[in-house]
Amino acid sequence: GAVVSQHPSRVICKSGTSVKIECRSLDFQATTMFWYRQFPKQSLMLMATSNEGSKATYEQGVEKDKFLINHASLTLSTLTVTSAHPEDSSFYICSASRQLNYGYTFGSGTRLTVV
Amino acid sequence: AQKITQTQPGMFVQEKEAVTLDCTYDTSDPSYGLFWYKQPSSGEMIFLIYQGSYDQQNATEGRYSLNFQKARKSANLVISASQLGDSAMYFCAMREDFNTNAGKSTFGDGTTLTVKP
Repeated sequence: GAVVSQHPSRVICKSGTSVKIECRSLDFQATTMFWYRQFPKQSLMLMATSNEGSKATYEQGVEKDKFLINHASLTLSTLTVTSAHPEDSSFYICSASRQLNYGYTFGSGTRLTVV
Repeated sequence: AQKITQTQPGMFVQEKEAVTLDCTYDTSDPSYGLFWYKQPSSGEMIFLIYQGSYDQQNATEGRYSLNFQKARKSANLVISASQLGDSAMYFCAMREDFNTNAGKSTFGDGTTLTVKP
């Protein structure tokens, strides 16, 4: 089945530093990947759509300069949280779709804590 | 207006019984897909079942079935013979722009299901 690998699973960083999260499709090519943010006990909020070889499409209200997305290959998308602050602490999760009539395959998520 | 509505924040069910999780949606797109995902406490999102807007029959996947009522715009998830491992948060989602893999999904607020022994 389709597998999406996401690293790291947990990260603690100091305020003001940057953190990179990787999302890799292991057994299929993902021209499009999606990045979500989730607060405890809440729904997934789409942050941006990552397109291979082109600029990401950000949702309204998401700071593109703070959440840098790069999709340099058909199997790898990265999300960099720049100059992280405690309010950026959250669960970040990526997803990709292998085929139309199938659900998205999600990465295992990254729990970011900014101290 | 919210595109996906899950009106049950929390549900309880006795082990081995069936449970229905409600989901209603709103779209003007004739082509869309409806999905259910399970999120255990570990955080991973697990795809459970899919229903296409043009599908004539309700989708089934093992103990999961989707009660699709297009005219009422509802896509309820039915879990039969509940197991303790079914305790998790369940999300209903809809994907419009269904002609490509680039169509983004909208998620409901989720329902926390607790299975009692």
